[in-house]
Amino acid sequence: DAEITQSPRHKITETGRQVTLACHQTWNHNNMFWYRQDLGHGLRLIHYSYGVQDTNKGEVSDGYSVSRSNTEDLPLTLESAASSQTSVYFCASSPEVGTDTQYFGPGTRLTVL
Amino acid sequence: GENVEQHPSTLSVQEGDSAVIKCTYSDSASNYFPWYKQELGKRPQLIIDIRSNVGEKKDQRIAVTLNKTAKHFSLHITETQPEDSAVYFCAAGDSGYSTLTFGKGTMLLVSP
Repeated sequence: DAEITQSPRHKITETGRQVTLACHQTWNHNNMFWYRQDLGHGLRLIHYSYGVQDTNKGEVSDGYSVSRSNTEDLPLTLESAASSQTSVYFCASSPEVGTDTQYFGPGTRLTVL
Repeated sequence: GENVEQHPSTLSVQEGDSAVIKCTYSDSASNYFPWYKQELGKRPQLIIDIRSNVGEKKDQRIAVTLNKTAKHFSLHITETQPEDSAVYFCAAGDSGYSTLTFGKGTMLLVSP
């Protein structure tokens, strides 16, 4: 069955290290999104992509980057991890612009010490 | 940009009661309003959505209403059950861009 997966599911890292979170979907969806979820803040958009080679900044993009080299993957990189980036990260995808339903991955819990 | 306010932040009801969660949005260009349910430790999952060309949509015990003039929309759950206990998120989006802005969530607790 088609699905969206994230890895790792849990990650502990140290301040200043570079961290990459993986997101992979097998639906052949054009749109992919990264959110962070923090208590009291709901889901906030970090970066998103409408297709290969396309990336866009979301509401809370500082300190994060993404790249889209193929349809299936949108890795999220924390260039220099900070304690404020301790959070649960969700990847999501949707078929194409104009079809809005987003399907979420299982999430990655990241702790920055 | 879009701003979505969601109330209440927590809601406790007895099994069998109805629950109502309300959201307001700021951008008149928004035309898509989904609701997601997130159980503890799980991913958000779409439970119902509504587009701006309709005022109400129902799916069994769940309904959503939309008032475009007032820029608010609501989730109604009837005959609540303990398995309805979860965090519910509303969101608003412009289908021309496919991005969503989420509310901060409502924790619903249904007591037996």
